[in-house]
Amino acid sequence: DSGVTQTPKHLITATGQRVTLRCSPRSGDLSVYWYQQSLDQGLQFLIQYYNGEERAKGNILERFSAQQFPDLHSELNLSSLELGDSALYFCASSPHAIQGGQETQYFGPGTRLLVL
Amino acid sequence: GENVEQHPSTLSVQEGDSAVIKCTYSDSASNYFPWYKQELGKGPQLIIDIRSNVGEKKDQRIAVTLNKTAKHFSLHITETQPEDSAVYFCAASKDYGGSQGNLIFGKGTKLSVKP
Repeated sequence: DSGVTQTPKHLITATGQRVTLRCSPRSGDLSVYWYQQSLDQGLQFLIQYYNGEERAKGNILERFSAQQFPDLHSELNLSSLELGDSALYFCASSPHAIQGGQETQYFGPGTRLLVL
Repeated sequence: GENVEQHPSTLSVQEGDSAVIKCTYSDSASNYFPWYKQELGKGPQLIIDIRSNVGEKKDQRIAVTLNKTAKHFSLHITETQPEDSAVYFCAASKDYGGSQGNLIFGKGTKLSVKP
C-alpha cells in the first residue's frame, strides 16, 4: 500500500458526460501528479499540482481540468467524454524536497474509466 | 522534450536466470531515474531509483546502472522468481522549481519468469 488513495476504483459512463476522479496524497506530501495509462499511449503525464498551485502541464486535453484543495487532496475533472478517454487514471504524490529519497513519486491504485 | 525508450518490450526467462531491461533518455538535464513494477490491476510500484550523481545502486536482487555520457540506464534482476513476473517501467525526470518534475515513462517491458 503506497498510502495514496483514489476513488472511485471503477467508473462507467457515457459519451458526453462529465466525471470527477479524486485523489488523496500520502500524509505530508505536497505534490500531486495525474497520469493517464492507455494501451496505445502508455503512461502519460497530465498535470502536476504543488501545495495548491498548478506546477506543470503535460498532455492534458482542454476538456480535462484539475485542482488541489487546501487539505492537499486533488480532483481531476473530465468533461465531454469521448470513447478514447477510456483509460486508467493514476494519481501520484511526492514530498517537497528533492534531497536523496525525497523525490519518489508514490502511485495510487488508479481509477479505471470506461466510456461507452 | 524528454523521450524515454525502453527495450525489450517483452522478456521471458527461466526461474533463477537474470533479466536485464535497458532504457535510453534524450534530455541531458534529467537527473532522476526510477524503475516501477506494475502488476495486473494495480498501480506502478517503485522498486529502485537512482540519481545522476550515482553510477550504480543495488538492493538485494535488483540493481540499476546509469551511464550519463551515453544517456542510458539499465535494470538488472538476478535469481528471478515467478513473482517477479510483471510489467516494468523505466522513467526519467528533472528538478523543476524546487520540487521533482513529472516522470516521462518508457513503454514498459513485460517480464515473464517461467518456473
